[in-house]
Amino acid sequence: DAEITQSPRHKITETGRQVTLACHQTWNHNNMFWYRQDLGHGLRLIHYSYGVQDTNKGEVSDGYSVSRSNTEDLPLTLESAASSQTSVYFCASSEYGSGRNEQFFGPGTRLTVL
Amino acid sequence: AQKVTQAQTEISVVEKEDVTLDCVYETRDTTYYLFWYKQPPSGELVFLIRRNSFDEQNEISGRYSWNFQKSTSSFNFTITASQVVDSAVYFCALSEDDTSGTYKYIFGTGTRLKVLA
Repeated sequence: DAEITQSPRHKITETGRQVTLACHQTWNHNNMFWYRQDLGHGLRLIHYSYGVQDTNKGEVSDGYSVSRSNTEDLPLTLESAASSQTSVYFCASSEYGSGRNEQFFGPGTRLTVL
Repeated sequence: AQKVTQAQTEISVVEKEDVTLDCVYETRDTTYYLFWYKQPPSGELVFLIRRNSFDEQNEISGRYSWNFQKSTSSFNFTITASQVVDSAVYFCALSEDDTSGTYKYIFGTGTRLKVLA
């Protein structure tokens, strides 16, 4: 069965370190998204991609970067981790096309920045 | 600008009670899509339903029903005869097509539903 996986599931890091969260999907979806979930804020979009070599900034992109070298993967990098980036991160994917397509979510990565 | 408001932060009900989760949205587009997702305690978000702006017909799926009213910009979700397994955080989301061929997807802040045995 097709799926979307994230690794690691839990990560503890220190302020200032670079961290990369992996996202891999086997749906063959063109569209991929990264969100962070914080209490009181719901899900906020960090970056998204509509295909290979395409990346776009979302609502809360400062301090984060992504690259898309193939259809299956969209890694999220925190250039210099800050305590404000402690959160639960979700990766999602959807079929190419209009906004009518639902998103399929990974299990999430809980990141703690000390 | 897009906006999705879920004013109910947390709701507690006793099992078998009916409960309605409110969702109010703002958009300038005539073509848009509304979604509900469920996030159980395990953490993964699960798609429940999609509605497009041209289809105001209400939908029922088992104990779940959705009421879409363009006149009040609302897309409310009702669970009939709630069960403990319905305990979760529920998110409402809005998507609209951009003129550039892309689209924007925005989530509400979620409503935590607790169903007590």
